Amino acid sequence: GQQLNQSPQSMFIQEGEDVSMNCTSSSIFNTWLWYKQDPGEGPVLLIALYKAGELTSNGRLTAQFGITRKDSFLNISASIPSDVGIYFCAGRSGNQFYFGTGTSLTVIP
Amino acid sequence: KAGVTQTPRYLIKTRGQQVTLSCSPISGHRSVSWYQQTPGQGLQFLFEYFSETQRNKGNFPGRFSGRQFSNSRSEMNVSTLELGDSALYLCASSWGTSGRARDEQFFGPGTRLTVL
Repeated sequence: GQQLNQSPQSMFIQEGEDVSMNCTSSSIFNTWLWYKQDPGEGPVLLIALYKAGELTSNGRLTAQFGITRKDSFLNISASIPSDVGIYFCAGRSGNQFYFGTGTSLTVIP
Repeated sequence: KAGVTQTPRYLIKTRGQQVTLSCSPISGHRSVSWYQQTPGQGLQFLFEYFSETQRNKGNFPGRFSGRQFSNSRSEMNVSTLELGDSALYLCASSWGTSGRARDEQFFGPGTRLTVL
């Protein structure tokens, strides 16, 4: 099935640094979602975006729905150790969701 | 509110066997979707159910099937298991079938299936 191109694949950062990751697709999406998955658990919804250009925040997290509707980015400010995990983007096209390949984030205290 | 629950959490089967996985959605949620997650293929959509009807189906062989009951609980069945079916199977529930009610899916912890 279709997968979204998510980058970077992994990141190692110092506590307190800001983080940025993005997702791109060759197709237009109507909805963009960002999830975080901890080991042994299911993904947890962080932010949902519904309009091109929309910028939404959830605490230290900010995400944007790209103007072309083919991309989205997620920023995490002032990272803390509990931000460790795998972050996935997901886009809806028609009736189906497609997921990114994931960005593995490691925060070094 | 209790989250999405999936049983069992871990399962070991041998090739050729069949398996049934269960998912109980968040109370009040009527839509249930199933996903397969593997290191190589990532998260892939299997199917979606609403009001006991399959609404969408991903690109998986017919060995993968599911159903939904009147209380919105859902089961997924895989017959004639293959080694490549080893994966984390995730269930997600949402309130409705359109717009935000549908898009905001909440995932369970998954069932880890190992096929030997």
